[in-house]
Amino acid sequence: DSGVTQTPKHLITATGQRVTLRCSPRSGDLSVYWYQQSLDQGLQFLIQYYNGEERAKGNILERFSAQQFPDLHSELNLSSLELGDSALYFCASSLRTQGDTQYFGPGTRLTVL
Amino acid sequence: GESVGLHLPTLSVQEGDNSIINCAYSNSASDYFIWYKQESGKGPQFIIDIRSNMDKRQGQRVTVLLNKTVKHLSLQIAATQPGDSAVYFCAENPPAYGQNFVFGPGTRLSVLP
Repeated sequence: DSGVTQTPKHLITATGQRVTLRCSPRSGDLSVYWYQQSLDQGLQFLIQYYNGEERAKGNILERFSAQQFPDLHSELNLSSLELGDSALYFCASSLRTQGDTQYFGPGTRLTVL
Repeated sequence: GESVGLHLPTLSVQEGDNSIINCAYSNSASDYFIWYKQESGKGPQFIIDIRSNMDKRQGQRVTVLLNKTVKHLSLQIAATQPGDSAVYFCAENPPAYGQNFVFGPGTRLSVLP
């Protein structure tokens, strides 16, 4: 158990809908990272927050957004969902930021029908 | 990018033998590297890390070797066990501000009885 929690574990929804994925980092960690893992693309970095502020952006679509709250938990919002958004979404956390070991949560499996 | 599920390189080893998983990284300036293990349906799990000022680091049953000359990383697992069956990812950390870990495509390790 890495200490990173994610909810929900599974999510099934329809195209065009909007969902919110939630992540709680390990106790004491200030950075949260979001990744998408699909069969076609492997593990892709989406976005990083550090102590409430956006720190780095990867291949995140404009339909996706994220935020980190004062208690350091983070939410990833996915809107106007498409079939191709079906994937595993992982959250990771680290103590500070760049160069620190990232510990991953168990993931949320999103299925868009 | 390469497919994670269907087209991963696969290494099959006999239980009790040693395994060597290789990874080529892309950025010669990367200064920190991590190996992750991902079991089916779970998030990536930290195994071992190494910084660029080292050539070798040992953990429990695992050893990571870093060859900066050819930008190559390897993970050696001693006395491979059935529980070692998983996908193994290497990740490199480019030093530039705002960049995050870049993950390799992964190698599937299959332990034969």
